[in-house]
Amino acid sequence: AQSVTQLGSHVSVSEGALVLLRCNYSSSVPPYLFWYVQYPNQGLQLLLKYTSAATLVKGINGFEAEFKKSETSFHLTKPSAHMSDAAEYFCAVKTSYDKVIFGPGTSLSVIP
Amino acid sequence: AAGVIQSPRHLIKEKRETATLKCYPIPRHDTVYWYQQGPGQDPQFLISFYEKMQSDKGSIPDRFSAQQFSDYHSELNMSSLELGDSALYFCASSTRDREFADTQYFGPGTRLTVL
Repeated sequence: AQSVTQLGSHVSVSEGALVLLRCNYSSSVPPYLFWYVQYPNQGLQLLLKYTSAATLVKGINGFEAEFKKSETSFHLTKPSAHMSDAAEYFCAVKTSYDKVIFGPGTSLSVIP
Repeated sequence: AAGVIQSPRHLIKEKRETATLKCYPIPRHDTVYWYQQGPGQDPQFLISFYEKMQSDKGSIPDRFSAQQFSDYHSELNMSSLELGDSALYFCASSTRDREFADTQYFGPGTRLTVL
């Protein structure tokens, strides 16, 4: 069975500062990993995905994530936060042709 | 690029009424998933269909049913609605085409409010 944990339900960063959102997963088979972003009253938008190719994955809006098998982690980073990055971020895991299991989400606030 | 379409976007119902949510997947996608996101919660998987057959089932109440039609669109039917059914319902689609496999693309959701 797969599961996802996200450390920190709320993260606040200053505009221009580094964004680091933590995600750890549990999976008995090689997983596919995703980060989705949800803006207020919006749907889920795919930020990036890891599907066993390169361990460093670049996504949209300047985000990237690194898959570390030894740490079972898939942390999301962005070098410089922008006000428009304020949203809810969900880390998710799945195996082939399977449902997505979401983490509890991390709410990112960006302080001017 | 075409995205997943869900209708209606907003729906208000009374308790014990029924509701039907529709999902139109990305063209050439053969798999549809339904998720429920309660207030302040992460999305929870309800049910999925591949090539018009149910492929997996999650925490879907017996009061709910769903199906996928020949044109691959899907409908989620909800009966005897309860206050606790108020949530954002997402549909996602994917294809088993090797190039795009294992990525689910989500629709904008249908916000159901039960009064």
